[in-house]
Amino acid sequence: AQSVTQLGSHVSVSEGALVLLRCNYSSSVPPYLFWYVQYPNQGLQLLLKYTSAATLVKGINGFEAEFKKSETSFHLTKPSAHMSDAAEYFCAVSDMGSNYKLTFGKGTLLTVNP
Amino acid sequence: GAGVSQSPSNKVTEKGKDVELRCDPISGHTALYWYRQRLGQGLEFLIYFQGNSAPDKSGLPSDRFSAERTGESVSTLTIQRTQQEDSAVYLCASSLGQGVKNSPLHFGNGTRLTVT
Repeated sequence: AQSVTQLGSHVSVSEGALVLLRCNYSSSVPPYLFWYVQYPNQGLQLLLKYTSAATLVKGINGFEAEFKKSETSFHLTKPSAHMSDAAEYFCAVSDMGSNYKLTFGKGTLLTVNP
Repeated sequence: GAGVSQSPSNKVTEKGKDVELRCDPISGHTALYWYRQRLGQGLEFLIYFQGNSAPDKSGLPSDRFSAERTGESVSTLTIQRTQQEDSAVYLCASSLGQGVKNSPLHFGNGTRLTVT
């Protein structure tokens, strides 16, 4: 079965600083990879996805992620954090042989300090 | 337009009671999912519906859990004889059903279930 590891359950950055949220997956075959974001009092929403096209993927609100097969990683970055980026971020991977099921990581809570 | 709606938003129940959790997906979404999130854990897949049928129930933790979907719309997740380990946030998601590559999942705000 697929698994996703998000390093750091809580990341705190200052406004304007680089955001780096880490995600590693277990798969011998490159899967589809996703980042979802949950803002306070809202449901999870798709931030960006990798589906075997370009390895550097751009998403909403200035976020991007790079698929690195050699490192089985899909880390999420943003050059300059904004207060509105405070949320919980979930990395997810599609299950092998399934076009409908996603396996999610435990999530990383991002706090942005003024 | 309206998003995925779940009710109730919070439910406190006594151990041994039955509970029903409701999900109203986005209109026109043929795929519907239930996930569970226990404290400090990732989202745990429970069940997937395509239309009114459930081709994948593999995530239901025991026979105390069941789910149904009617009219390609509303879904109900029922937990019988609740146990304390059932305490979690239950999330519902829907999508256009064209595969995860092409159809993002849209999540509701969840139902927080507490079993005392």
